[in-house]
Amino acid sequence: QKEVEQDPGPLSVPEGAIVSLNCTYSNSAFQYFMWYRQYSRKGPELLMYTYSSGNKEDGRFTAQVDKSSKYISLFIRDSQPSDSATYLCAMSGGGNNRKLIWGLGTSLAVNP
Amino acid sequence: DTAVSQTPKYLVTQMGNDKSIKCEQNLGHDTMYWYKQDSKKFLKIMFSYNNKELIINETVPNRFSPKSPDKAHLNLHINSLELGDSAVYFCASSRQGRTEKLFFGSGTQLSVL
Repeated sequence: QKEVEQDPGPLSVPEGAIVSLNCTYSNSAFQYFMWYRQYSRKGPELLMYTYSSGNKEDGRFTAQVDKSSKYISLFIRDSQPSDSATYLCAMSGGGNNRKLIWGLGTSLAVNP
Repeated sequence: DTAVSQTPKYLVTQMGNDKSIKCEQNLGHDTMYWYKQDSKKFLKIMFSYNNKELIINETVPNRFSPKSPDKAHLNLHINSLELGDSAVYFCASSRQGRTEKLFFGSGTQLSVL
C-alpha cells in the first residue's frame, strides 16, 4: 500500500460546479497536509496547507483534514476553466521529519 | 521577477552525454531541492541542500551530482545519461527546511535519445 493514495482521474466538470478532490494516507504521523496545483508545463504551486486536523478556507478553495479517517479533501466552489490543472496532495510529519510524501495528482478539466 | 528559475527549459541529448541544469532562487530561502517528475506525474525528491549542506540524498544513481555554490543556487550535473533519465526535473526552495511551503521552478524537460 502506498503511503498516499490519490485518484488520478481525469475528472471533468462543467463550469460553476463544486469540485471535490481527495487523498487518503496510511501514516498517522503526518502533521502537515498540502495541496499544490500544477498547470501543464509548469511547476507545482502551493494552494493551501493545513497543520493537523480541521478546515481552512481561501476564497473558492477549502481544505479539510480528517486525521481519524486519514483522509484529506480539497473543495473548489464555482469552478472556472482556469482551474483546469493537476492537483497534487502532499504531506509530511512534524519536527525534524519533514520529508514530503506526494500523491500522484488528479487531473481536473473544467469545461465552459 | 521570477522567484525560482531553472535553465535550460528543454534539454535534448544523446545517451552517454553529460549535462547540467542550473537553478537560482531570489526568495532569500536557505533550503533548495531537486525533484524528478516522471511521465506518470509522480514527484520524487532527489536532493535537498540547506545552507549549501546536503541534507537529503535519496536513492539516486551517483551519476547525478548536485552542487550548491551558495544558498541561492543549486545545480544538477548528470553524467553518462541514460534513456530512463528522461523526465522533468524541478528545482524548489523553502525557508529553513519548511517543506509545507515549497516554491517550484518551471522545470527542465530532459529527453535522452
